[in-house]
Amino acid sequence: GESVGLHLPTLSVQEGDNSIINCAYSNSASDYFIWYKQESGKGPQFIIDIRSNMDKRQGQRVTVLLNKTVKHLSLQIAATQPGDSAVYFCAEPSGYSTLTFGKGTMLLVSP
Amino acid sequence: DTGVSQNPRHKITKRGQNVTFRCDPISEHNRLYWYRQTLGQGPEFLTYFQNEAQLEKSRLLSDRFSAERPKGSFSTLEIQRTEQGDSAMYLCASSGGQGFGTNEKLFFGSGTQLSVL
Repeated sequence: GESVGLHLPTLSVQEGDNSIINCAYSNSASDYFIWYKQESGKGPQFIIDIRSNMDKRQGQRVTVLLNKTVKHLSLQIAATQPGDSAVYFCAEPSGYSTLTFGKGTMLLVSP
Repeated sequence: DTGVSQNPRHKITKRGQNVTFRCDPISEHNRLYWYRQTLGQGPEFLTYFQNEAQLEKSRLLSDRFSAERPKGSFSTLEIQRTEQGDSAMYLCASSGGQGFGTNEKLFFGSGTQLSVL
């Protein structure tokens, strides 16, 4: 299930389950969104992106869904593995040259 | 390993001291970014360079902070007269794109963790 931790929302799943991580954005004019994964002690790593003219985009074991009506983005991870344990951030451009990151969700995968 | 290298990985300093961090981006990337990240938060933009030109600075970048990219390759971030509130992870990222209108992708280094005592 999903719970609100002291600092980060946390999603705990069992290995093999599908995970869904959610993100709300506020700028209805945003036209590009990116998901990053950050493992402990490392910098964020690009996972997948989507432009606003799409509702869905699939990668390897990951799918991003975009609902522009409610300004909501989700990242679905299929058959979650222990190596997927990390903090996941959604990000959107703010201006031409910068990215604004959301607060992040910690994904904990139990074997 | 994304190819973006940051040094040092960790820095412990006393309040009031100056510190300098280095970032070596992916060699063919013309854009270089500095971000700051505190525990439990997402990275916050500080500044970015296109080649050697510093084109944008966040209001988070106080006058105690200065960044350079003298030859359009590596970059340094200096913090003068450090304060305890400067304690954070300082992340560098690079990209070879033309801006977020063209699906810009940032490649981050592993960061420099600064602790100010």
